[in-house]
Amino acid sequence: GENVEQHPSTLSVQEGDSAVIKCTYSDSASNYFPWYKQELGKRPQLIIDIRSNVGEKKDQRIAVTLNKTAKHFSLHITETQPEDSAVYFCAACPAGFQKLVFGTGTRLLVSP
Amino acid sequence: DGGITQSPKYLFRKEGQNVTLSCEQNLNHDAMYWYRQDPGQGLRLIYYSQIVNDFQKGDIAEGYSVSREKKESFPLTVTSAQKNPTAFYLCASSPGLAGVNEQFFGPGTRLTVL
Repeated sequence: GENVEQHPSTLSVQEGDSAVIKCTYSDSASNYFPWYKQELGKRPQLIIDIRSNVGEKKDQRIAVTLNKTAKHFSLHITETQPEDSAVYFCAACPAGFQKLVFGTGTRLLVSP
Repeated sequence: DGGITQSPKYLFRKEGQNVTLSCEQNLNHDAMYWYRQDPGQGLRLIYYSQIVNDFQKGDIAEGYSVSREKKESFPLTVTSAQKNPTAFYLCASSPGLAGVNEQFFGPGTRLTVL
């Protein structure tokens, strides 16, 4: 089955810096890759997603890139702000399944 | 934050007792999911259901049971067979249509076994 690995487990940056979180997946047939943000004590919320027929997607300060050949995808946050501090999860959806396999999460801390 | 609710928010259980966690959605979604979240381990899938009266085991189904008698409800029972049940439990739903994969999460139930 699908396996998703996520790095780093923790990431500390200064406000205004960029942050990059990377994930790799094992099932080359996976075709949907979402990123969720979870603030302390709250539910995960989708922030951006990408499908296998697209290489990059942007939404304001957030972007996701996908390299199907290498089977990895990354979340890029530019001009980080303290309110970006949270745990971020990547996930992959194996083709033919309506379920997600999640990475273990990255705790991002943005210091003022 | 509306659309999918979980109750209770906090739940305490004695060892050897079964307990049922509630999950309800009014989004008219076909698919529903239960995840367990432990520190440093992300979200692990317990059970999921793509349609009423049908459900499949996820990666860590042992010690858990579910039912899906109504489209809007997907309760999870944590049985006494679950060896380490203390965790944060998240329910989610998605439209279930092919190509529509986004999952919407409930606020979660924190279960503590005393």
